[in-house]
Amino acid sequence: ETGVTQTPRHLVMGMTNKKSLKCEQHLGHNAMYWYKQSAKKPLELMFVYNFKEQTENNSVPSRFSPECPNSSHLFLHLHTLQPEDSALYLCASSLRLAGGPDTQYFGPGTRLTVL
Amino acid sequence: QQQVKQSPQSLIVQKGGISIINCAYENTAFDYFPWYQQFPGKGPALLIAIRPDVSEKKEGRFTISFNKSAKQFSLHIMDSQPGDSATYFCAASWGNYQLIWGAGTKLIIKP
Repeated sequence: ETGVTQTPRHLVMGMTNKKSLKCEQHLGHNAMYWYKQSAKKPLELMFVYNFKEQTENNSVPSRFSPECPNSSHLFLHLHTLQPEDSALYLCASSLRLAGGPDTQYFGPGTRLTVL
Repeated sequence: QQQVKQSPQSLIVQKGGISIINCAYENTAFDYFPWYQQFPGKGPALLIAIRPDVSEKKEGRFTISFNKSAKQFSLHIMDSQPGDSATYFCAASWGNYQLIWGAGTKLIIKP
């Protein structure tokens, strides 16, 4: 595998379910990100991790819970979601956070549908 | 002030034509302006980026034009091809990793 991979690619869940999204980067990067992409809206940054430490939480509801066990893996744990949480969830990585903007490399995303 | 406004929302161009997508911003502290390209079923990928010390940057058929005084920047795709059909996002940042994104433009190139 190369680049940034995400599993599953599609997920349908009920409002009472608990599920997790997984992201893995094979680029040797130190920073990882979760974004929410909704149709015709700008990408929304949800969480940022740098060297496994969370550096950003953009007022995301607590029903979304991130986990970063190491610099290569990122999880997004989901519980008691709402239908408006249906969206494409994108994972990205970059080499660093400090020293100015760095190219972010995105995975293909998980298409989430909440019923 | 943190918004980046992108237009048009969708664009249809004939093969061989010039595709132009525009973005405007308010925050004069922005100092990095990338464009990302997203194909269906894929994540966005960096296409080209510019800093405000130059007015134009060209990479192959893709050109960013930057107007600092007007606080606008645009992407021009010359000789547009069906393979260029994708969604294009402009973005801006001010010296750190956090990108402020436009809402995207869905570009269709008709053969």
